[in-house]
Amino acid sequence: DIVMTQSPDSLAVSLGERATINCKSSQSVLHSSNNKNYLAWYQQKPGQPPKLLIYWASTRESGVPDRFSGSGSGTDFTLTISSLQAEDAALYYCQQYYITPPTFGQGTKVEIK
Amino acid sequence: EVQLVESGGGLVQPGGSLRLSCAASGFTFSTYNMNWVRQAPGKGLEWVSFITGSSRTKYYADSVKGRFTISRDNAKNSLYLQMNSLRAEDTAVYYCARDQKWELPHYLDCWGQGTLVTVSS
Repeated sequence: DIVMTQSPDSLAVSLGERATINCKSSQSVLHSSNNKNYLAWYQQKPGQPPKLLIYWASTRESGVPDRFSGSGSGTDFTLTISSLQAEDAALYYCQQYYITPPTFGQGTKVEIK
Repeated sequence: EVQLVESGGGLVQPGGSLRLSCAASGFTFSTYNMNWVRQAPGKGLEWVSFITGSSRTKYYADSVKGRFTISRDNAKNSLYLQMNSLRAEDTAVYYCARDQKWELPHYLDCWGQGTLVTVSS
């Protein structure tokens, strides 16, 4: 199985500042046949199900604010919140779907400083 | 509006069985692959099982293989998870989640609110 490791486990960011979450996979999730990274990001707020933010490592899901962006390739990926809003306080998970079983990172908690 | 509503969770003794259901609406259910994903209390997300729209292909996590069975009824727009030989470590909120249309699990673009399964004596 591919192991997904996120860093940091938690971070506190002031409103309007940038938040950066890293995700590292134990093997590359870049598919050579289509040059796509099989990596997604989700947001989960307390008592709610996860919500898809980003897929193919950098494609924003419809309706997701453009302050959320994904980048990276191969084994190293980043989710960036360019200007943190109060409603962005949540847990964030990365997920690889390059190999079955799909696996998730352990989660990163974003808090407002 | 795309909607997924799980039901069937509850308290069950170790070794017992439970059947979860997920009612889908707002999209053409038969054309989408579906998954079950679980989350133990205070823990992260764990993928459980996947089924294609036609039910031809199914995958399971090693932790549930041989004990859980995923199925669907496209005429009823419903997804199911039959859980047998339940263990304490199966205690979690179980989410059904919509996948894409490829033959393997991909990203999950719609999730239900979840149903809690508690395995305890």
